[in-house]
Amino acid sequence: DVQLVESGGGLVQPGGSLRLSCAASGFTFSTYWMYWVRQPPGKGLVWVSRINPDGSYTTYADSVKGRFTISRDNAKNTLFLQMSSLRAEDTAVYYCVRDPFKEVAGEWGQGTLVTVSS
Amino acid sequence: DVVMTQSPLSLPVTLGQPASISCRSSQSLVYSNGNTYLSWFQQRPGQSPRRLIYKVSNRDSGVPDRFSGSGSGTDFTLKISRVEAEDVGVYYCMQGTHWPGGTFGQGTKVEIK
Repeated sequence: DVQLVESGGGLVQPGGSLRLSCAASGFTFSTYWMYWVRQPPGKGLVWVSRINPDGSYTTYADSVKGRFTISRDNAKNTLFLQMSSLRAEDTAVYYCVRDPFKEVAGEWGQGTLVTVSS
Repeated sequence: DVVMTQSPLSLPVTLGQPASISCRSSQSLVYSNGNTYLSWFQQRPGQSPRRLIYKVSNRDSGVPDRFSGSGSGTDFTLKISRVEAEDVGVYYCMQGTHWPGGTFGQGTKVEIK
């Protein structure tokens, strides 16, 4: 079975940094686009970033461009999101998602909560 | 940027009755390869989202056949033929044709009357 397990969330002060991880299993990780999507408390889903299978191409939402960096380690089947210069509005549950648009894909992890507050 | 507009935002439904959710995009979602990258997701209370439909009308494995997706260009619809109690939750459409910006709709909350 496909499993996506996020970790690394927590409480961080404004201006601080955090690194999220997503451990993937049950599929050939190195052949799929991977995405990060976030959900502020009580609100809807917001796409954050995506990365191509070999890690050579990335795209970001305007709201996080220049502050967040997506990366992957295909040898370790792990997706990352390095977040810096964090703001209160970055507070959300962060999900990793296996290609939301491809056949036999579209799975979500359980999410990890990031809280930015002093 | 592409804007995805869902309606209604709240949908009270009687058990056993049909339900329909509209998702409209500000630009055509037909990609240069002829595919239309429009997916639908269900988020039950307290759970992670789950994909139901990809590329407009393809149902994921394990998704009950009472769920169906249709549409083209800029207008898309998710239909539930007979609503069951387990269908309560929020439904989102998402486009993956125009980047950057894998835009989601605002979400439609389905509840039982």
